[in-house]
Amino acid sequence: QVHLQESGPGLVKPSETLSLTCNVSGYSINRGSYWGWIRQGPGKGLEWIGNIHGSGDTNYNPYLKSRVTFSVDSSRNQFSLRLTSVTAADTAVYFCARGEIGDYGSWGQGILVTVSS
Amino acid sequence: EVVLTQSPGTLSLSPGERATLSCRASETFLNYLAWYQQKPGQAPRLLIYGASNRATGIPDRFSGSGSGTDFTLTIRRLEPEDFAVYYCQQYGSSPFTFGPGTKVDIK
Repeated sequence: QVHLQESGPGLVKPSETLSLTCNVSGYSINRGSYWGWIRQGPGKGLEWIGNIHGSGDTNYNPYLKSRVTFSVDSSRNQFSLRLTSVTAADTAVYFCARGEIGDYGSWGQGILVTVSS
Repeated sequence: EVVLTQSPGTLSLSPGERATLSCRASETFLNYLAWYQQKPGQAPRLLIYGASNRATGIPDRFSGSGSGTDFTLTIRRLEPEDFAVYYCQQYGSSPFTFGPGTKVDIK
């Protein structure tokens, strides 16, 4: 059974870079699934940030594309998110997830990231 | 992008009743539609994928239907643990998008 766990700082200053990692266990990250990042602002709905395939192919939400980068580290069985130039609007719970395409059947528990000075 | 609209915003029902949730899309997207359940403080849980396929371990009181731009999630008889927020999501057209959610609460 696949297990995902987000990690990273819970507080980031405005204009700095948010970096999160998703550790995957119970499933090899380069087996062919899509690995996604989704976020949820306080009291808000879900926003898709993008996908990365185990091969490294990426698909970003155009609204964030200029600021976001995904990467995969197969040796550590983890994938990562970098979001630059953050503002208060980026404050959210960030989830990592696994899907066959974009239907996410496995999720991490989520990590709250607050953007504040 | 495909905009998803969910109705109603809130559905107040009693345990044992039938729940019918609607998701309407601004355009078609190959029927790659999923439904998720989310409870406070938890990650979403995949219920339905491909518009009508139940995910692993999901009880058969949950069913999905629809095609084109109109989709429905039906919960045949509400159990106490079913009171939650439900989101639809399309993953047939990038960027993938979620609906705003329907809250099913206890009447």
